[in-house]
Parts: sequence; structure tokens; C-alpha cells
Amino acid sequence: DAGVTQSPTHLIKTRGQQVTLRCSPKSGHDTVSWYQQALGQGPQFIFQYYEEEERQRGNFPDRFSGHQFPNYSSELNVNALLLGDSALYLCASSLGTGPFYGYTFGSGTRLTVV
Amino acid sequence: AQSVSQHNHHVILSEAASLELGCNYSYGGTVNLFWYVQYPGQHLQLLLKYFSGDPLVKGIKGFEAEFIKSKFSFNLRKPSVQWSDTAEYFCLGGSARQLTFGSGTQLTVLP
Repeated sequence: DAGVTQSPTHLIKTRGQQVTLRCSPKSGHDTVSWYQQALGQGPQFIFQYYEEEERQRGNFPDRFSGHQFPNYSSELNVNALLLGDSALYLCASSLGTGPFYGYTFGSGTRLTVV
Repeated sequence: AQSVSQHNHHVILSEAASLELGCNYSYGGTVNLFWYVQYPGQHLQLLLKYFSGDPLVKGIKGFEAEFIKSKFSFNLRKPSVQWSDTAEYFCLGGSARQLTFGSGTQLTVLP
């Protein structure tokens, strides 16, 4: 059990559509980070949410947006999907305050854009 | 900008061979370094981490890593690999606000 739950596990979308991915952090964690992992590459940081605000953002266009809810769960939204958005999207949770012990990762959502 | 580099993209070893996977980082500030492993079909799992103190860090499953500040390196080692160690290994570095992944090393252990 990863402790971090992501849904759905797989989905297929058409170019130009919009998609929403969901993440529930590990119990006790309050910070959620999202990563995109293209085939054969290491995960790339998209953004991080803490206290319902985006705190850090990687080099991703505004088509990528997110949200964090009061229960610390998070959504990643991607608008106007491109073929190049096909990837595994990983959610990671952590504690936003106090000592930093690393991230706990979910199993990911595999997005295929056709 | 912070970066993490893994120079070995694919390593193939026989069982009982020794393993060393390279990781170099380049960023200033507080050093937080991690090795994660991803077994086929599974989520990323933490192997070990380094924040400060003893530069030789022991992790799970017999893995260890040594932080060498002068070389900006944090290499992962295991004296004797097993077939079950076949997986992808990622080195990560950064802060609580943003962790940067290396590109990963695929380890294949032949029985």
C-alpha cells in the first residue's frame, strides 16, 4: 500500500480535451506535489500545493493547473490536451512543516492522448 | 537551478556482483538527497536518504550510499545484488519545496 491514492489508474483522452487527475495524500501529510514522467525519462516537477495554494511550479505551461482541498487531497487539471501530454502522472505527498523526511509516491495515472 | 544527474542509464549485472550507481547533484543550500526504487508495476519506494551527519547512509534491502561533498556525489552501492533487485533506481535532490529527479538507472540482474 503506497499510502498515496491516485485515480484513475489509466485513461485515454482525445487531443484538445481536458482531463482531471486526483490524488489523496498519505494520512498525516498536508503537501501534495505532482510530477510528469514521460516514457523513458525521469519524472519532471509540475507543481506543489500546500495550504490550498500553489507554492512552487516547474516549467509547465498554464494548461496545467491544480487545486488542493481542505482535506489535503489534490487535483491536477490539464486543458487542451496535446499528444505530448501522454505520460505517467505521479502524485507525491509530504509534510509541509517540521523536518523533511521525503516524499511518499502514489502509483500514478497513465494518461494516453490520441 | 538545481539538477541531479545519473550517468548510468542501464546497468546489467549477474547475481552476486557488486553494484554502484552514480548520482551527482548541483545546487546550493541545504542538501537533501534520496534514492528511490521502482520495481516493475509498483510505485516509487524510498531506499535511503541523507540530510546531514554521517556521510555513509544505510538503507533498506542492503543498500547504502555515500555523500561526498567535494565531488557533489551521492552514489548508491550494494555489495551483492540479487535477481529481485531488478528495477529502476532514481536519485533525487532538493528541498521540501521541490525535489528534482535524476533520469533514472534501469538495473537488470541476471540469474
